[in-house]
Amino acid sequence: EADIYQTPRYLVIGTGKKITLECSQTMGHDKMYWYQQDPGMELHLIHYSYGVNSTEKGDLSSESTVSRIRTEHFPLTLESARPSHTSQYLCASSGPGQGQTQYFGPGTRLLVL
Amino acid sequence: AQTVTQSQPEMSVQEAETVTLSCTYDTSESDYYLFWYKQPPSRQMILVIRQEAYKQQNATENRFSVNFQKAAKSFSLKISDSQLGDAAMYFCAYRPFWVLVFGKGTKLTVNP
Repeated sequence: EADIYQTPRYLVIGTGKKITLECSQTMGHDKMYWYQQDPGMELHLIHYSYGVNSTEKGDLSSESTVSRIRTEHFPLTLESARPSHTSQYLCASSGPGQGQTQYFGPGTRLLVL
Repeated sequence: AQTVTQSQPEMSVQEAETVTLSCTYDTSESDYYLFWYKQPPSRQMILVIRQEAYKQQNATENRFSVNFQKAAKSFSLKISDSQLGDAAMYFCAYRPFWVLVFGKGTKLTVNP
């Protein structure tokens, strides 16, 4: 199993609050990703990064933002949480070799009231 | 657009039996990777098996094997000797470049 961590695992928060979901990996992977998983379990790519100081938006439009200041760290921030942001957020990383296999963190379940 | 289709939203299998999950994809690329991921209820997504498109030989990992038909753009997953721990959502994914394109998943139930 890969070493990729997400905190918090569960978060219940009120509307309008600013939140940051943390994602860290210890594998030295250059690429990292954020997915949103809806209740039907479908995965949507919302952000990805090719390396430090590189971030791109994914297929699904998201009001969140990301940063990549360090290789191992890829936090996702919501400036003002809304009930529509309620979802599970999965972080993943990949490195050279193995077909750029993506390894996933345990996820953060977010509930916005 | 590149798409991945899993035509079976749900499947069930008896313990110790064999089940095959279907996946088709659409691409104009000739070199790419295909993956099957497993996500048990409330647990982490993990890699089950990986296939390189330029390799003719079907990948195998213990009880898991694939039937890769490149011309038909088909990539099915066979689970042999199914176990209760195999119950999960299974996602097929295609990678032409750096990002993955996922199917919508197949929920597998294993009956004792």
